[in-house]
Amino acid sequence: GNSVTQMEGPVTLSEEAFLTINCTYTATGYPSLFWYVQYPGEGLQLLLKATKADDKGSNKGFEATYRKETTSFHLEKGSVQVSDSAVYFCALSGPSTNKLIFGTGTLLAVQP
Amino acid sequence: GAVVSQHPSWVICKSGTSVKIECRSLDFQATTMFWYRQFPKQSLMLMATSNEGSKATYEQGVEKDKFLINHASLTLSTLTVTSAHPEDSSFYICSARAPGGQETQYFGPGTRLLVL
Repeated sequence: GNSVTQMEGPVTLSEEAFLTINCTYTATGYPSLFWYVQYPGEGLQLLLKATKADDKGSNKGFEATYRKETTSFHLEKGSVQVSDSAVYFCALSGPSTNKLIFGTGTLLAVQP
Repeated sequence: GAVVSQHPSWVICKSGTSVKIECRSLDFQATTMFWYRQFPKQSLMLMATSNEGSKATYEQGVEKDKFLINHASLTLSTLTVTSAHPEDSSFYICSARAPGGQETQYFGPGTRLLVL
């Protein structure tokens, strides 16, 4: 079945450092891919998404590219801020279902 | 836009009682809502898919008689944990799918349940 694997955390970085959180997936066909962010004490928020191969999703300085050849959707940001500290979830849905399948989440802690 | 609320945000109850959690889409109509459960330091696990006006579809291993779901209107779905026990303590999160066939789900802030 479909599944999502993302790197375990926590990831601890200094402010302005470069961020990569790896995410790979297993799916039949062409799913849609998502990154959700959960700030402390809050619900999940959609950060970005990509619906087809080679699409790049971007938002708030974060980017992720849908790579079919490597079945990956790695999250990157060039310069993180303390306010980016949160748990980041990679997820997929489809192509034949609207269910979201989540990775285990990666805690990012950015220190000043 | 696309705001989803949950009520209550947290609840403490005695073992054996039932707890109802509400999920509302505030500025859009959601024909489909989802209920998830999140254990500490773990991912979200889909419990059931709730469609307005029809019975919910439960994931394998989720007891439908224990977790009652009602989706009576296009903006409200409720999850009732019946005869709650300490092992039901968890963080329950709902989401609503935006209309127009889009795949994006918008999540509520979650409800933390503690059963004593």
